Amino acid sequence: NAGVMQNPRHLVRRRGQEARLRCSPMKGHSHVYWYRQLPEEGLKFMVYLQKENIIDESGMPKERFSAEFPKEGPSILRIQQVVRGDSAAYFCASSPILGETQYFGPGTRLLVL
Amino acid sequence: QKEVEQNSGPLSVPEGAIASLNCTYSDRGSQSFFWYRQYSGKSPELIMFIYSNGDKEDGRFTAQLNKASQYVSLLIRDSQPSDSATYLCAVKEGAGGTSYGKLTFGQGTILTVHP
Repeated sequence: NAGVMQNPRHLVRRRGQEARLRCSPMKGHSHVYWYRQLPEEGLKFMVYLQKENIIDESGMPKERFSAEFPKEGPSILRIQQVVRGDSAAYFCASSPILGETQYFGPGTRLLVL
Repeated sequence: QKEVEQNSGPLSVPEGAIASLNCTYSDRGSQSFFWYRQYSGKSPELIMFIYSNGDKEDGRFTAQLNKASQYVSLLIRDSQPSDSATYLCAVKEGAGGTSYGKLTFGQGTILTVHP
């Protein structure tokens, strides 16, 4: 049973470009969570999604960031017009039902030049 | 603002000793508590979760929860150099809460086990 998959594992963007991060949850999991880990900082919640629904986006920056989890395909975290402060590790986690333990993917390391 | 506090360390223990990691949380509505281990450059890996007051043991690891004191700890017995990592305490709000689902993490405690 494959774990949570994220791609790309490393992403380099120049300021002003767009970054798209993908997450495929574990088989049988329908809840997806995105977290960000800035250098030398802890993990911070960004958004919680179920298929076709955003449940909690209280941790998402108000501008440039969006997330989706379509009926088919992976969850996408999209960052428009990236800035250097967006450089971080972005982790996706999934759980089978609400309240269950969350399992993390390998993360995407975003570097903005 | 709901907070989770950990001593950042680093905590250094000799091989074979007991490592004790502590965590306090501010939200009394918290119901689920998790310990994750994160090696440098890697993703968090679940070690244990605990829901009820008291102790929960799994191999060399024991999680302890005291909801009255809003305190959760992780003990690692017979520490090994391979246990050297950052340990993250995470807390989840109870069902019915407005933030149910998301994990709130502490800053992490860096543990070094030296031979």
